[in-house]
Amino acid sequence: DAGITQSPRHKVTETGTPVTLRCHQTENHRYMYWYRQDPGHGLRLIHYSYGVKDTDKGEVSDGYSVSRSKTEDFLLTLESATSSQTSVYFCAISRDSGRDGELFFGEGSRLTVL
Amino acid sequence: AQSVTQLGSHVSVSEGALVLLRCNYSSSVPPYLFWYVQYPNQGLQLLLKYTTGATLVKGINGFEAEFKKSETSFHLTKPSAHMSDAAEYFCAVSPYNQAGTALIFGKGTTLSVSS
Repeated sequence: DAGITQSPRHKVTETGTPVTLRCHQTENHRYMYWYRQDPGHGLRLIHYSYGVKDTDKGEVSDGYSVSRSKTEDFLLTLESATSSQTSVYFCAISRDSGRDGELFFGEGSRLTVL
Repeated sequence: AQSVTQLGSHVSVSEGALVLLRCNYSSSVPPYLFWYVQYPNQGLQLLLKYTTGATLVKGINGFEAEFKKSETSFHLTKPSAHMSDAAEYFCAVSPYNQAGTALIFGKGTTLSVSS
């Protein structure tokens, strides 16, 4: 199994509070991704990173920011959580920059915003 | 823009029956296509992928998929379902226009297997 650890695995918070989810990898893969999974929507890309300090927006980036100061860590921050951000968040990594780079997923972080 | 459409959000089969999960893609260039599986309370894992070459691709756990360009399809099949196949399955396509960008996933199909 790919060495990907997400923390926290479960979190309940209130509307308006900041939340940070952490993804830590031990594979030294260059590419890291944050997806959210919602019923009826599948997985949607929030942000991704192609190197330290190199990030870009995905399909549903509004309300989220990311940072990557080290190869192994990719942080997802909700500056002011809203109920619409209640979801399961998955971190993924890939080694290759090519189109056939396989993604390896963490086990997910379930966030509930009340 | 590239996209995938999974036909049927839920599929139910009996143990031992054929499994067929449908995926159609939209792409203006030859696509790279993937099937992932997600077991309850877990992340996704790769079942199989098509990049180039042979259009019939075999994956783990007895699954296979066939790339059909004329039908823009990449359906997933397994000859005989097992109870352990119950999971959610996602079809995905790789964007062609930028290296390192993430896969685009379909909305998923939940497979139920009854005894």
